[in-house]
Amino acid sequence: GDSVTQMEGPVTLSEEAFLTINCTYTATGYPSLFWYVQYPGEGLQLLLKATKADDKGSNKGFEATYRKETTSFHLEKGSVQVSDSAVYFCALNSGGSNYKLTFGKGTLLTVNP
Amino acid sequence: EAGVAQSPRYKIIEKRQSVAFWCNPISGHATLYWYQQILGQGPKLLIQFQNNGVVDDSQLPKDRFSAERLKGVDSTLKIQPAKLEDSAVYLCASSPSGRAPTSTDTQYFGPGTRLTVL
Repeated sequence: GDSVTQMEGPVTLSEEAFLTINCTYTATGYPSLFWYVQYPGEGLQLLLKATKADDKGSNKGFEATYRKETTSFHLEKGSVQVSDSAVYFCALNSGGSNYKLTFGKGTLLTVNP
Repeated sequence: EAGVAQSPRYKIIEKRQSVAFWCNPISGHATLYWYQQILGQGPKLLIQFQNNGVVDDSQLPKDRFSAERLKGVDSTLKIQPAKLEDSAVYLCASSPSGRAPTSTDTQYFGPGTRLTVL
């Protein structure tokens, strides 16, 4: 079945540091890939997505590239801010009989000033 | 555009009691999902509706959980009787209508209901 494995947290960085959160997946067919973010006390929000191989999703300075050859979708940001502190979830949707999202366990990011 | 609404935001109950959660999706969204998020884990799909009909409820513990979506809009998820292991955040999500769902659709999530079973 479908599965997502993402980097264990927590991750603690200083402001302006470079961020990478690794995500790899197992899926049938050609899934769409997503990064969702959950700020403290809030629901999940879509951060970015990519729907086919070699697509790059980007938003708010975050980027992730759909790498089919390595089944990966790593999240990167060149310079993090305190306001980026949140839990980040990698997810996939492979379609089929339903269109559920399969999520990783989430990675807690804390950015210190 | 208003987002997905959920209530209540928090609920504390004793085990063996019953509880109900309500969700109002984004206007016009035909597909509605309920996910369960246990602390330290990613959300897991419980049930998916397309308009009034159930598309997938294979992960729903049907001996204690039930859900309905009357008139293809609001939805209610019920647990009766609750167990300690049901403590989690229950998330409702919706995705756009006007066509059949696809794997590329963005799902829009509500703020969730945090359930604590004592």
